[in-house]
Amino acid sequence: DGGITQSPKYLFRKEGQNVTLSCEQNLNHDAMYWYRQDPGQGLRLIYYSQIVNDFQKGDIAEGYSVSREKKESFPLTVTSAQKNPTAFYLCASSRGQNNEQYFGPGTRLTVT
Amino acid sequence: GENVEQHPSTLSVQEGDSAVIKCTYSDSASNYFPWYKQELGKRPQLIIDIRSNVGEKKDQRIAVTLNKTAKHFSLHITETQPEDSAVYFCAARRPNTGNQFYFGTGTSLTVIP
Repeated sequence: DGGITQSPKYLFRKEGQNVTLSCEQNLNHDAMYWYRQDPGQGLRLIYYSQIVNDFQKGDIAEGYSVSREKKESFPLTVTSAQKNPTAFYLCASSRGQNNEQYFGPGTRLTVT
Repeated sequence: GENVEQHPSTLSVQEGDSAVIKCTYSDSASNYFPWYKQELGKRPQLIIDIRSNVGEKKDQRIAVTLNKTAKHFSLHITETQPEDSAVYFCAARRPNTGNQFYFGTGTSLTVIP
């Protein structure tokens, strides 16, 4: 498992708190992505970044924010505005726009 | 909106039998179709992919077929083994979006020893 890492594996927060999920890659990939995975649903794109200092909203960006200050890092903040934050969050990266995506091990976030 | 439909949602087969998972997509301009395997609590891993200029691709016990006219593609696993038990996701690259994908809803495959 190396290359792209996420931490922590499990995260618990109280409702109303912001929380930041870490994603780091040492694959020298330009593009990085955040997905949310819920039972019975496909992966849904939250945000993506094709290059440092640039990112775009995906299909379900509301209540989330990201930054891409370094090529290796793409942290995701789940804000208190996200109505159903409990989910499994997957980060991915790819070398370019026509290459496969490599996934991190995921962070399971539980908000109570 | 959702662009890929995947069936079945669950599949049980006896060890040694074959398993087939099917996906359909709606955008005829999609040109790349990966399949991912996700074991419980772990990351999705690419197991095979196919591009729109070929109709079939094989890798040992795994094969993928693509019918561009019908806009569907299928994953075939032969001689299934218990370690094949996992959730399998299909995906179709969204045209003109860089490297964004539509993902299927997943098929939970159980191989019974």
